[in-house]
Amino acid sequence: GIQVEQSPPDLILQEGANSTLRCNFSDSVNNLQWFHQNPWGQLINLFYIPSGTKQNGRLSATTVATERYSLLYISSSQTTDSGVYFCAVAAFSGGYNKLIFGAGTRLAVHP
Amino acid sequence: DGGITQSPKYLFRKEGQNVTLSCEQNLNHDAMYWYRQDPGQGLRLIYYSQIVNDFQKGDIAEGYSVSREKKESFPLTVTSAQKNPTAFYLCASSSSGTAYGYTFGSGTRLTVV
Repeated sequence: GIQVEQSPPDLILQEGANSTLRCNFSDSVNNLQWFHQNPWGQLINLFYIPSGTKQNGRLSATTVATERYSLLYISSSQTTDSGVYFCAVAAFSGGYNKLIFGAGTRLAVHP
Repeated sequence: DGGITQSPKYLFRKEGQNVTLSCEQNLNHDAMYWYRQDPGQGLRLIYYSQIVNDFQKGDIAEGYSVSREKKESFPLTVTSAQKNPTAFYLCASSSSGTAYGYTFGSGTRLTVV
């Protein structure tokens, strides 16, 4: 099946720093999404980005589908950015689109 | 506001007991999903349902059971056959079973005591 690998596994930043999170996937996918899980466990979709680049405030994401990777950029990080960032890809299996998650990047932003 | 409600937030289970986790959505989504999250790992799919009265096993269905009698509800039972049930359980829904537009609940943390 499709493998999703995220790096780095852990990241510690000072407030105001920039960072890049990476997601590699092993096969062609229908789409790719980035999620943020806050310290209380709530998962929020950040981007639906099968290809190209999107921006939302201080966050932006780029997916290069032909090279099977996606990047999530966080600029001017804030303590509220802390949590786990997941990359998930969709693969069609058994009659439906199945989301396959990477293991996540755990981000801690310190004031 | 539309969303997904999971209850309880914390649940403690004794060895050998079955417990049921509740998941209710008012988004009018057709598809619902149950995921398990272990520390340091991503989400793994337990069961999913695309329509009422139909559901399919995911990657780690052993020791779990579900029902889908109503569109809004997708309860998960963790049976005594699940040997390592301590984990964080997340319910999600999406429109028409697409992989786009997932909405997640806030999760239930299950601990075996």
